[in-house]
Amino acid sequence: GAGVSQSPSNKVTEKGKDVELRCDPISGHTALYWYRQRLGQGLEFLIYFQGNSAPDKSGLPSDRFSAERTGESVSTLTIQRTQQEDSAVYLCASSPDPDREQFFGPGTRLTVL
Amino acid sequence: AQSVTQLGSHVSVSEGALVLLRCNYSSSVPPYLFWYVQYPNQGLQLLLKYTSAATLVKGINGFEAEFKKSETSFHLTKPSAHMSDAAEYFCAVSGAGTALIFGKGTTLSVSS
Repeated sequence: GAGVSQSPSNKVTEKGKDVELRCDPISGHTALYWYRQRLGQGLEFLIYFQGNSAPDKSGLPSDRFSAERTGESVSTLTIQRTQQEDSAVYLCASSPDPDREQFFGPGTRLTVL
Repeated sequence: AQSVTQLGSHVSVSEGALVLLRCNYSSSVPPYLFWYVQYPNQGLQLLLKYTSAATLVKGINGFEAEFKKSETSFHLTKPSAHMSDAAEYFCAVSGAGTALIFGKGTTLSVSS
């Protein structure tokens, strides 16, 4: 079946602009995660959604970052007033339940000029 | 709190040689442990996982890893490297129901 999809695959923006990144999880997966992968670094957890529970936002690096999820479907990660240090690959993952492995999308490469 | 340390940011082996990628973890709860692989310009793919069943875990593409609680390790091995194994490998830990905590990754190079 279809895997996790993310759009856009690449995004170039100017410093100070807002960006929205989209994630479509695998159908039926209740858990959805956002991670950030900066050049030469491991993956950094950003935010986690599980069903209708309040999201775990403990990994968001600043209040410029926010995310929403519509039910158990699409999620949008928004970065306001982008900075150059926001340049990274943003990865989304979903899981059928929190105790199972996570399936990753191909990522969105964000470049802030 | 949980953390993962991958020893060696870059490992080089010859084709046919043993692959050993090291991972140590710390966790205050019984951990779930994972190895993911990321091929160039692709997303992460699960290689194998440990979830408190057998301590020796076999994964895809001939990889396996052994959970050693006494050493807090979960090293990844493959008896004979192939050129196609060249990629970046990430070890990750989670408690049940939490996000994954990833190591910084190890780039595996395979030479002929």
